[in-house]
Amino acid sequence: GQSLEQPSEVTAVEGAIVQINCTYQTSGFYGLSWYQQHDGGAPTFLSYNGLDGLEETGRFSSFLSRSDSYGYLLLQELQMKDSASYFCAVRPTGNTPLVFGKGTRLSVIA
Amino acid sequence: EAGVVQSPRYKIIEKKQPVAFWCNPISGHNTLYWYRQNLGQGPELLIRYENEEAVDDSQLPKDRFSAERLKGVDSTLKIQPAELGDSAVYLCASSSPGETEAFFGQGTRLTVV
Repeated sequence: GQSLEQPSEVTAVEGAIVQINCTYQTSGFYGLSWYQQHDGGAPTFLSYNGLDGLEETGRFSSFLSRSDSYGYLLLQELQMKDSASYFCAVRPTGNTPLVFGKGTRLSVIA
Repeated sequence: EAGVVQSPRYKIIEKKQPVAFWCNPISGHNTLYWYRQNLGQGPELLIRYENEEAVDDSQLPKDRFSAERLKGVDSTLKIQPAELGDSAVYLCASSSPGETEAFFGQGTRLTVV
């Protein structure tokens, strides 16, 4: 089976840094992705880690440790528009669909 | 380039009635997914198509759900008859071969009353 664990809610102050953790237990592992979803909107791709280490894309970074079955999404210089749900997702093999976690609802406050 | 297009955006039906959702994926994307998302949860896969072939439908409740992807482009997901527990957002996504990223549509929010 597949299971992904991430915090259900996180609150952070505008301009701050927040880290959203994700641990996974899957029958296989090809890579870890992160998606952002605003209320009523479509999930949109943020980043992908296939190998251990840090991937940086602007204010967002994502980290993966395959040996620890762990990853995180780091959001810097938080803005109000970053308030959304963030999902980690695992692709068990290169040819299987994404399996999503339950999501972390991030609230950015002034 | 247009993204994944879904219709309708919202649908309210009475239980036991049929309902259908339509998806037009991004041009050139061979892989099409239907996901269901309950409130406060992550998307859960219902079915995956590679071109017109359903290659992963183990999570699709086949007693009431059906899907098709004629000609390997547009897809339709049908529920007949709908139950109260089917209320959710139905998301369609597509991707191209070897691509790690999946592109999602805005979804259809179904309410069964």
